[in-house]
Amino acid sequence: DTEVTQTPKHLVMGMTNKKSLKCEQHMGHRAMYWYKQKAKKPPELMFVYSYEKLSINESVPSRFSPECPNSSLLNLHLHALQPEDSALYLCASSQDLWEAATEAFFGQGTRLTVV
Amino acid sequence: LAKTTQPISMDSYEGQEVNITCSHNNIATNDYITWYQQFPSQGPRFIIQGYKTKVTNEVASLFIPADRKSSTLSLPRVSLSDTAVYYCLVGDIYSGAGSYQLTFGKGTKLSVIP
Repeated sequence: DTEVTQTPKHLVMGMTNKKSLKCEQHMGHRAMYWYKQKAKKPPELMFVYSYEKLSINESVPSRFSPECPNSSLLNLHLHALQPEDSALYLCASSQDLWEAATEAFFGQGTRLTVV
Repeated sequence: LAKTTQPISMDSYEGQEVNITCSHNNIATNDYITWYQQFPSQGPRFIIQGYKTKVTNEVASLFIPADRKSSTLSLPRVSLSDTAVYYCLVGDIYSGAGSYQLTFGKGTKLSVIP
């Protein structure tokens, strides 16, 4: 199994809603990531999970909250989002943190629309 | 992470060979060069990786000159299904000031024409 599975594929939410994006991998990878990708732009790294530790990127607003229930799951909790947060949210994993660029597996993404 | 520069877009006819060049003048000694392909509304997919000279797999070839300040992704005999954005990444995740950085370049949008 060489897949990273993301659910849901599409999500529409209001600015007062709370929702969660889910990501799962069964490759035994020790590092997982959340990226945000706006239209016609490259992916931007938001969060890193590695060695059972979440690294928070201080430039990411607190309305995005990552959670790692176990080594194969990575969630992204969303609360009080703004319309400008509408984007494709990508989850990725790699065998180790230092292969984040050289050999990462990406999920298909969740297309999020904030209304 | 080394800064990369790629053409914004390229057009090619089906059946032709396509070469996409990436400039990375400040590449570090230990940096590898990796290329990803991304279709609309999908996540990037690893294509090929190299350190120096030439690497070939079933999908593409990667040419890296001796000075390693650039690299060229070569796609043989492209088809319509090769229409995608191609990203060049140099180096790996960087840790600094308590957070991690991994910066994709702007990518090259390849359009294959029938």
